[in-house]
Amino acid sequence: EAGVVQSPRYKIIEKKQPVAFWCNPISGHNTLYWYLQNLGQGPELLIRYENEEAVDDSQLPKDRFSAERLKGVDSTLKIQPAELGDSAVYLCASSLRGSYNEQFFGPGTRLTVL
Amino acid sequence: AQTVTQSQPEMSVQEAETVTLSCTYDTSENNYYLFWYKQPPSRQMILVIRQEAYKQQNATENRFSVNFQKAAKSFSLKISDSQLGDTAMYFCAFMKHGSGNTGKLIFGQGTTLQVKP
Repeated sequence: EAGVVQSPRYKIIEKKQPVAFWCNPISGHNTLYWYLQNLGQGPELLIRYENEEAVDDSQLPKDRFSAERLKGVDSTLKIQPAELGDSAVYLCASSLRGSYNEQFFGPGTRLTVL
Repeated sequence: AQTVTQSQPEMSVQEAETVTLSCTYDTSENNYYLFWYKQPPSRQMILVIRQEAYKQQNATENRFSVNFQKAAKSFSLKISDSQLGDTAMYFCAFMKHGSGNTGKLIFGQGTTLQVKP
């Protein structure tokens, strides 16, 4: 069974540029999560989807971050414009419906903003 | 608000030896889950072990076991017979259970474990 797929694995951009990250969850997983992981820290939840509905986006900085999960499968996280402080690893995870189910993580996208 | 604290930034252990990673947490909730996740240098986070707070019996998964002390809000991970492949960053995490649960995992700062040959 394929795991959570993320692309790109690495991205380097200039500040003020836009950037997008893509996530394909495990087949059949209704719940999708985006986490932000700063260097040497634990991940922090940005947004959680149940199918195509964002059920918790309270941690998402909505002035520059946006996310979508069209058709309840793949998801895209966007930053526009990027700032130096956005340099981090962006992790996607998925689980079966029900927040108590195990979350499976993707390899992440390492973003560097210059 | 819940917090998770891992006070050991780095640990090392000789291959085949036993090591214990510490974790404490703070919550006013009575029902919750606790987790240990492993993140190898490749960055893919993997669940190691899970404990339901209502269970008094400590969880065990092969060489991995926990010491769950609910009153002390302590949740340590013991790795027995350490292997080179255990080298990774280990995160302790908390999740609230029950109504209003958003599936939000709250992670500690992590402990980097180096297993030496």
